[in-house]
Amino acid sequence: GAGVSQSPSNKVTEKGKDVELRCDPISGHTALYWYRQSLGQGLEFLIYFQGNSAPDKSGLPSDRFSAERTGGSVSTLTIQRTQQEDSAVYLCASSLGQGATGYTFGSGTRLTVV
Amino acid sequence: AQSVTQPDIHITVSEGASLELRCNYSYGATPYLFWYVQSPGQGLQLLLKYFSGDTLVQGIKGFEAEFKRSQSSFNLRKPSVHWSDAAEYFCAVGSNDYKLSFGAGTTVTVRA
Repeated sequence: GAGVSQSPSNKVTEKGKDVELRCDPISGHTALYWYRQSLGQGLEFLIYFQGNSAPDKSGLPSDRFSAERTGGSVSTLTIQRTQQEDSAVYLCASSLGQGATGYTFGSGTRLTVV
Repeated sequence: AQSVTQPDIHITVSEGASLELRCNYSYGATPYLFWYVQSPGQGLQLLLKYFSGDTLVQGIKGFEAEFKRSQSSFNLRKPSVHWSDAAEYFCAVGSNDYKLSFGAGTTVTVRA
């Protein structure tokens, strides 16, 4: 596609529920990243996928968070048993290769846990 | 470990005035440096990037940034701001791998 597409744009969920956030990167971009942006904070790295390599999950804050990327394209970030502190904007980005080229970001999913 | 500091949380500038946003980084090798802009409700858009070569980098929307190794800085400038420049600006640093570190951002307000 022309840009990085994320869905839903907004999600309100009850504490304890599971949520799935979707990212559709730019066609041909081999690298895909998830970041979290909390209110008044910078961006926090969560996870990185590069081609068929094992993902770098070092930024995931707890085992309630997981992500997968199917067929080297679409990625899903799953948060299980959501907590109020999970409320944030979740940003997905993709790039042609490694980070030195700069990322193209999606518009994000605003998650609110009530 | 790499890190970025943006000392100014919020800057207010008059339309037509010049703008400078500060960015200081900590990185053990030659850094890759980026500036992104985020308008309300939007994702981040890349303004410019520095890898090597000329330390003065030109970007989109009339922005430029200067890499100063001796000061570990990569400040963003624009000679004359427009009301549409009101947004949040993020500086980022990384190696040539993938895991960028972002600053906390500077919010720019433009007054008429």
